[in-house]
Parts: sequence; structure tokens; C-alpha cells
Amino acid sequence: QSVLTQPPSASGTPGQRVTMSCSGSSSNIGINTVNWYQHLPGTAPKLLIYSNNQRPSGVPDRFSGSKSGTSASLAISGLQSEDAADYYCATWDDSLKGYVFGTGTKVTVL
Amino acid sequence: QVQLVESGGGVVQPGRSLRLSCAASGFTFSSYGMHWVRQAPGKGLEWVAVISYEGSNKYYGDSVKGRFTISRDNSKNTMYMQMNSLRVEDTAVYYCAKGNNSPGHWGQGTLVTVSS
Repeated sequence: QSVLTQPPSASGTPGQRVTMSCSGSSSNIGINTVNWYQHLPGTAPKLLIYSNNQRPSGVPDRFSGSKSGTSASLAISGLQSEDAADYYCATWDDSLKGYVFGTGTKVTVL
Repeated sequence: QVQLVESGGGVVQPGRSLRLSCAASGFTFSSYGMHWVRQAPGKGLEWVAVISYEGSNKYYGDSVKGRFTISRDNSKNTMYMQMNSLRVEDTAVYYCAKGNNSPGHWGQGTLVTVSS
């Protein structure tokens, strides 16, 4: 099982703000930066946030990330129907000497 | 633009081997680390391995350590994953991704099915 824990689901109506958490430990989130990925089944995952809170070009500013201690969070403001997807946090784990993904959060737009 | 194209997937029996390839274009391949990530049916993303830009450093996930070998040929702009002693639980879509410290741009994936 993953060393990064995320809630299995989150939901909201169009226009609402949705947040999701990512809980890790001192060997991963505590000492390394966090990335977030958006994944629609059958497509290539997309890097949404890197280095805790940076957006690659082309990613809307509705998406924002933050990190505090051994936890991180992703927020989607002004939720849109196309935001319905699976979201994964990820980071390097110094103890495992490997990259680790969170368990994933499925976002539903009601 | 960055393009990553995986190939080599297919159906294979347990215990057999398979080699995946990832052809890269649109960037200076020899300057970037490369990753393999997989997603089993109905499961989340699982990181498999990473190789440094020049190929000297390699790291693997615990579930594939000792069975899978990542490599690259910078003259061909291609990365590989040699998968030996395949197990049913290795069934997944395998993605290659560009990135020194973490996967950034991803390919579309290739499906590997391990079944008798």
C-alpha cells in the first residue's frame, strides 16, 4: 500500500471550491517537495502542480497546492465539469529511495 | 513538442519476459532522467523505476526490484524496461515519463497483460 494517504473521494457542484489532502511522513513530504497529477482514465496523467505550489504553463490558476509539515493539499476553485478526474499527490521518499504516489482522490462534479 | 511513445506491451504468460520501449522526441533526451510508472486495472498509479540522464543511476520500486531492469540508449533517444519473471500482478498500463526528479510529461502508455 502507498505511504501517502489521500481521501478516496471528493465532490462539489460547478463553481464550488474542493480541497483534498495528502498525508505522508518525515521521510517523504517532510523533506521533499510535492507534486500533484490529474488523471482521466485512458489518458496520460498530467502534471498539475510541482514543487508544492507551482503550476506548469497551461494549468489554470484555479488549481493551487500547499504543503505544511508532513502533509500537502490541493485545492480546485471554481470547479468545472472537466475537472472530474483522479488526483494523485507524489514525492520522493528518502527511506524507500523511490518516488511514491498517493492513494488517489476521485473528484466528482455534481 | 515533447512526445513519448511506449511500445512492446502485449499478453505474456507468468514467468516469461517482455521488453518495453519508450521513444522520445521534441526535447534533448540525453539531458533528462526518465521514469516508468504503471497502473494496474482498477488501481492507482505506482512508480516503477527511474534512470538518470546518462544512465548511471537507477532506482526501482520494491515490487519490481530484482526482476525489472531500466536502461536507455541516448543515441537512439529511447528508454527501455526489461521485465523478467513476470507475475499476474504486473498486469498494468505502463507509462514512460520525462523528468529528472519527478515525472513531468507522460506518454500514452502500453498495456501489459500477464495471464496463463
